[in-house]
Amino acid sequence: GNSVTQMEGPVTLSEEAFLTINCTYTATGYPSLFWYVQYPGEGLQLLLKATKADDKGSNKGFEATYRKETTSFHLEKGSVQVSDSAVYFCALMPGNNDMRFGAGTRLTVKP
Amino acid sequence: DGGITQSPKYLFRKEGQNVTLSCEQNLNHDAMYWYRQDPGQGLRLIYYSQIVNDFQKGDIAEGYSVSREKKESFPLTVTSAQKNPTAFYLCASSIVHSHDTDTQYFGPGTRLTVL
Repeated sequence: GNSVTQMEGPVTLSEEAFLTINCTYTATGYPSLFWYVQYPGEGLQLLLKATKADDKGSNKGFEATYRKETTSFHLEKGSVQVSDSAVYFCALMPGNNDMRFGAGTRLTVKP
Repeated sequence: DGGITQSPKYLFRKEGQNVTLSCEQNLNHDAMYWYRQDPGQGLRLIYYSQIVNDFQKGDIAEGYSVSREKKESFPLTVTSAQKNPTAFYLCASSIVHSHDTDTQYFGPGTRLTVL
């Protein structure tokens, strides 16, 4: 079946450090891939997406590249800020409205 | 501003009572969804609806019911049959039949606590 596996947290970084959150997926066909971010007590906000192999999604300094050969969609940011502290969810949509989410990775950035 | 609203933000229920969570969107989206989020876990799909007067069960529909009488509204009822209803509930919506058909947009959530 379709599923997403993302690295377990929590992840704690100092401000201006480099961030990588790993995400791998299992899916039939060619799913769209997403990263969502959730701030405390709020809903999920779309951070970025990619719809086909080798596409790079980017937003607010975050990037992720759709790698079909490694079935991965790792999230990266070159220099994190305290305001990036949140829970990050990787998700896939195989095309039938059956969106699948990873378990989420909590990021804490310290000043 | 267009968006998805959920009410109330916090809800307390006694055991054995039914409770209804509201979800409204003014994005003119065709599809709407309900998810449940438990601490440290991802989202699990309860129900979804792609068109008015039609909806389908998700992975964990037992103990829940929905209706879709209007395009803008997709209320979720948590019934007394739901054994462990304390959770954070998220509503989402998406366009159908467009280039952005697969992107879901989320409301702010309702935290339900059973006393």
